[in-house]
Amino acid sequence: GAGVSQSPSNKVTEKGKDVELRCDPISGHTALYWYRQSLGQGLEFLIYFQGNSAPDKSGLPSDRFSAERTGGSVSTLTIQRTQQEDSAVYLCASSLDSGGQFFGPGTRLTVL
Amino acid sequence: DAKTTQPPSMDCAEGRAANLPCNHSTISGNEYVYWYRQIHSQGPQYIIHGLKNNETNEMASLIITEDRKSSTLILPHATLRDTAVYYCIVRVRNTGNQFYFGTGTSLTVIP
Repeated sequence: GAGVSQSPSNKVTEKGKDVELRCDPISGHTALYWYRQSLGQGLEFLIYFQGNSAPDKSGLPSDRFSAERTGGSVSTLTIQRTQQEDSAVYLCASSLDSGGQFFGPGTRLTVL
Repeated sequence: DAKTTQPPSMDCAEGRAANLPCNHSTISGNEYVYWYRQIHSQGPQYIIHGLKNNETNEMASLIITEDRKSSTLILPHATLRDTAVYYCIVRVRNTGNQFYFGTGTSLTVIP
């Protein structure tokens, strides 16, 4: 597609359940980023993939969070044993090495 | 990453140029200036970026001062759809972390 896509657009889950969020980056973009944004707040960096290099996981808030990127394209962010404080909009972005980041529409996660 | 300072809000008449300033006095030599905007309830949208030369694309122009301590984003003919919060960010190109938007400038385009 022409842009970054994410699914699902909305996810409501119960505390303690696991969730998987998907990101399809722009074709050919080598870098992929995950962020989350709470209401009225700035972006909080989670993880960064660049080509075949080891990902930068320095922003993951706990070991309940993990992400993988298969075949250098699609990425999945997994949150295990969700907590209410995990509720946020999770944004994925991709970029070429030389350009700005293009963001997807986000997944709004609500943990009840 | 260097911090940026932007006015909290601005108004602009529809059809006129919107000039959004940003101060980044502590910018280092390898840091780029990026501009993004975020329309309510949507994800951030990349607009433009530059290092030291002025840049122009289909959306906007970016003017960076010679000392690189400030920049101006110019929307040449503002439309109502340009109403958004505009964020100026300085960072080493394509590093993933410390992507903090701050408060940005809330631009309102007035009919």
